[in-house]
Amino acid sequence: NAGVTQTPKFQVLKTGQSMTLQCAQDMNHNSMYWYRQDPGMGLRLIYYSASEGTTDKGEVPNGYNVSRLNKREFSLRLESAAPSQTSVYFCASSELGGGVGGELFFGEGSRLTVL
Amino acid sequence: QKEVEQNSGPLSVPEGAIASLNCTYSDRVSQSFFWYRQYSGKSPELIMSIYSNGDKEDGRFTAQLNKASQYVSLLIRDSQPSDSATYLCAVNIDGNNRLAFGKGNQVVVIP
Repeated sequence: NAGVTQTPKFQVLKTGQSMTLQCAQDMNHNSMYWYRQDPGMGLRLIYYSASEGTTDKGEVPNGYNVSRLNKREFSLRLESAAPSQTSVYFCASSELGGGVGGELFFGEGSRLTVL
Repeated sequence: QKEVEQNSGPLSVPEGAIASLNCTYSDRVSQSFFWYRQYSGKSPELIMSIYSNGDKEDGRFTAQLNKASQYVSLLIRDSQPSDSATYLCAVNIDGNNRLAFGKGNQVVVIP
């Protein structure tokens, strides 16, 4: 059982380049999330999808776009990467969202460096 | 005020002692509270969830919730070197669909 799979695990970009982080879960979860983690800042929510067909902004959405391709897949796109987007990105999924029983299952993370 | 606050700096505890971590939150209607553990370079993993006021025990871990004071804590009894990690407090906000995380507290257990 793979759980939550993120690709790529490492990526180096130049300022202005674009890229997409892919995330897939095989747990039949309804909700999916993209967080970024920076030193001393904890996990900050970028975008989330409460269910297939819906997406909503989180705490730090500027500079990102998302697509909930189907129930399994939730991608995060950087259209024009900036050094401030250097971070570790985590995808997560949950059967019940943030409510009772709403445990998040995390992928292994994607380390992105923007030069 | 941030949605979830963990203000304590790194916590060093001797092996076998109790580690105590605190978390406050701002959303009075929050109903779900979680503690995640994150080892360096790894992803967070759930160690405790709590939904009702009072204490919840699971092995060496005890979560305590006080909704009136908007406060949740985690106690680690008989701390082991393997407990050395960063502990993240998470609280559901805006209904049921998303979690906000605190900045985390680093715990170092000294053999």
